Amino acid sequence: EPEVTQTPSHQVTQMGQEVILRCVPISNHLYFYWYRQILGQKVEFLVSFYNNEISEKSEIFDDQFSVERPDGSNFTLKIRSTKLEDSAMYFCASRPGLPSYNEQFFGPGTRLTVL
Amino acid sequence: AQTVTQSQPEMSVQEAETVTLSCTYDTSESDYYLFWYKQPPSRQMILVIRQEAYKQQNATENRFSVNFQKAAKSFSLKISDSQLGDAAMYFCAYRSSNKYIFGTGTRLKVLA
Repeated sequence: EPEVTQTPSHQVTQMGQEVILRCVPISNHLYFYWYRQILGQKVEFLVSFYNNEISEKSEIFDDQFSVERPDGSNFTLKIRSTKLEDSAMYFCASRPGLPSYNEQFFGPGTRLTVL
Repeated sequence: AQTVTQSQPEMSVQEAETVTLSCTYDTSESDYYLFWYKQPPSRQMILVIRQEAYKQQNATENRFSVNFQKAAKSFSLKISDSQLGDAAMYFCAYRSSNKYIFGTGTRLKVLA
């Protein structure tokens, strides 16, 4: 069964460094998402991406964040200058175009630790 | 703005018994989708069940069923014949346009 994959599973970085989290969505899906879950808290929406552009983003998704689908298969989340509070689990998700009720399929997550 | 509330931070159930997890939400939309996701210790988010708001019939998926009360904006999850493998965090989610809004989760413990 096709699944969303994410790499790396765990990323440790120093505060102020740039990180890129990678995701490979399910191949025929059209909508892509990033969510974040700070330890012990709920999952929060960051951004959605469709037709090669951001369709919606949350207040969390500020200028330090960017997303890209560079090659038609990968979907990346870049954090330009990491802060301690960026430490969290980051989930990528994807969804087919139709039918509209289709759920989002989540990847296994990348645990980001900022020191 | 839409909100999702899960008022039970933790629940316990005896193996083979039935447990109900609560979820309420707030929205002004008439057409939307609700989901329950399971997050085991591996932290992978796994879909448990889905409900379309326009459907009056409650969704059922094997041992999992929902009690969807649209007027009350309530969407509870019932797990029958609980198994040790059901132990996990359960998140209720509301799909608004293109994103999910999650509740804070309920940790379910299954006692042998």
